[in-house]
Amino acid sequence: DGGITQSPKYLFRKEGQNVTLSCEQNLNHDAMYWYRQDPGQGLRLIYYSQIVNDFQKGDIAEGYSVSREKKESFPLTVTSAQKNPTAFYLCASLGQVDGGYTFGSGTRLTVV
Amino acid sequence: GENVEQHPSTLSVQEGDSAVIKCTYSDSASNYFPWYKQELGKRPQLIIDIRSNVGEKKDQRIAVTLNKTAKHFSLHITETQPEDSAVYFCAASRKWDNDMRFGAGTRLTVKP
Repeated sequence: DGGITQSPKYLFRKEGQNVTLSCEQNLNHDAMYWYRQDPGQGLRLIYYSQIVNDFQKGDIAEGYSVSREKKESFPLTVTSAQKNPTAFYLCASLGQVDGGYTFGSGTRLTVV
Repeated sequence: GENVEQHPSTLSVQEGDSAVIKCTYSDSASNYFPWYKQELGKRPQLIIDIRSNVGEKKDQRIAVTLNKTAKHFSLHITETQPEDSAVYFCAASRKWDNDMRFGAGTRLTVKP
């Protein structure tokens, strides 16, 4: 998976449930990101973290939460406060060398 | 913050023709402009990028041009092939500022 792994690939959530999406990287990258992808809207930034134990809100952080307890891991929790959580979620990382993001393979979340 | 607009949203070309996708950005401090290709059901992958100190960069059949004065950059694909069919995203950021913004994407279809 190119050094960054997302799981699960598909996730189904019932109304009112919190669910957590996993993102793990072994690239020794400092920065990690969560994006949401909806048809026709490109990639929208949810949260990002530049360093362990620190993270910042992106453009659409409401209804989401994250943690960064380890450099390798940046899990995203989709809470019941997120009104329209059905989407494709992409995790990415960025190292301090030339080059763009490395993306995970994504998690498709569906509310049932 | 940065705002990236991308056009067209869909593009259909005949195999062997050229394809051009254009993006504009709003933040004059942006200095890093990557392009990503996302095939159906897969993760976005970096295909080419350009920095603000360069006006043009080419890699085989793909090239990117940047006009910092006008704040726009373009992706050019020559001699298109069916395997070029995908969604292409442009992005802009202040390098290492960890605030990359993506365009809405262009769905390119190359007809054999």
